[in-house]
Amino acid sequence: GAVVSQHPSRVICKSGTSVKIECRSLDFQATTMFWYRQFPKQSLMLMATSNEGSKATYEQGVEKDKFLINHASLTLSTLTVTSAHPEDSSFYICSASRSGFGYTFGSGTRLTVV
Amino acid sequence: GENVEQHPSTLSVQEGDSAVIKCTYSDSASNYFPWYKQELGKRPQLIIDIRSNVGEKKDQRIAVTLNKTAKHFSLHITETQPEDSAVYFCAADDSGGGADGLTFGKGTHLIIQP
Repeated sequence: GAVVSQHPSRVICKSGTSVKIECRSLDFQATTMFWYRQFPKQSLMLMATSNEGSKATYEQGVEKDKFLINHASLTLSTLTVTSAHPEDSSFYICSASRSGFGYTFGSGTRLTVV
Repeated sequence: GENVEQHPSTLSVQEGDSAVIKCTYSDSASNYFPWYKQELGKRPQLIIDIRSNVGEKKDQRIAVTLNKTAKHFSLHITETQPEDSAVYFCAADDSGGGADGLTFGKGTHLIIQP
């Protein structure tokens, strides 16, 4: 079945620094990559959608200059949290898809900003 | 945009009994409805999905029903087992599964009492 690899699984960073999260589709070419954020005991909220080679589309309320998304190839997307602050601490999950074939989730990244 | 409501937020059932989780959606264009099971700190796992051209789908102890007219869909788990304990999320998508991202319900914490 489709597999999406996400790294790192956990990261702790200091306030003001940047963190990059990587998401790879291992055995299929993902038409689209999605990035979700999940706060403790809450649901997954879509942050942004990216298609290979084009700019990401951000959901309302998500700062595009803070959450930089790069989708350089059909198998790789990265999310960079810039100038991270404690309120950015969350579980970030990517999801890769091919239209009509559903969504495959990465294993998630637990970000803690101290 | 799409809005997905999910109930109940917590559901406790005796082992062996059935569990039912209900969701409603607002966007009549939605046509793909997956259900995910998420254990603490893990990625959501797709357990069953249904498309809008189908009214019911079953996979062993799990079934999903969809009422397009009323815009609601339900997850049914029969003969519940301790390993069914988890948080379950419903979701909706208007792209047939894979192009627009998912809108999730708030989740149901299912507790199976031994």
